[in-house]
Amino acid sequence: DAGVTQSPTHLIKTRGQHVTLRCSPISGHKSVSWYQQVLGQGPQFIFQYYEKEERGRGNFPDRFSARQFPNYSSELNVNALLLGDSALYLCASSLEPSGGSQPQHFGDGTRLSIL
Amino acid sequence: AQSVAQPEDQVNVAEGNPLTVKCTYSVSGNPYLFWYVQYPNRGLQFLLKYITGDNLVKGSYGFEAEFNKSQTSFHLKKPSALVSDSALYFCAVRGNLGYNKLIFGAGTRLAVHP
Repeated sequence: DAGVTQSPTHLIKTRGQHVTLRCSPISGHKSVSWYQQVLGQGPQFIFQYYEKEERGRGNFPDRFSARQFPNYSSELNVNALLLGDSALYLCASSLEPSGGSQPQHFGDGTRLSIL
Repeated sequence: AQSVAQPEDQVNVAEGNPLTVKCTYSVSGNPYLFWYVQYPNRGLQFLLKYITGDNLVKGSYGFEAEFNKSQTSFHLKKPSALVSDSALYFCAVRGNLGYNKLIFGAGTRLAVHP
């Protein structure tokens, strides 16, 4: 079975631009979460979506937004890019909205570089 | 506030020797704890979890972890390290806000030398 897939794998943008990152969860998983991993740090939670509704939001500015589609895939949008947005963006999927006893499963991420 | 601490930036161990990667946590209520491993240019790969039950949890690739409630620790262990175990290891706790948020430590780089 396919795992969590993310696209693109790498992206280079300049300050002020916007970017859209995409994620397809494991088949059957209805929850998608997004994390930002800055070099040398652990991942930081950005959003969780379940059944197209936002379930949770981390401490990120309004430049960050996301949505989930009827097929449970998801997009993360970032506007007005800053140099500090350079990071690995990870998508994770899970079966239940609160997680239950199951772990989140991560994709390989999108490496975003801001020039 | 909920948090996870991994006190060692790097752990060095010789191949064949036992390894321990340390993790302590702070969370109200019962903790849901996880270990993930990250190889270069890859995402996070799930190793094991503690939800409830036995304090010694067994996971993938021969790894295990010991939950200690009194010391609020969840150390990752392996009896005999392999060079291929060299990677970045993250401990995480699930937040208790009603949604599926993982709070990660800063990570520990494990280097296994031949």
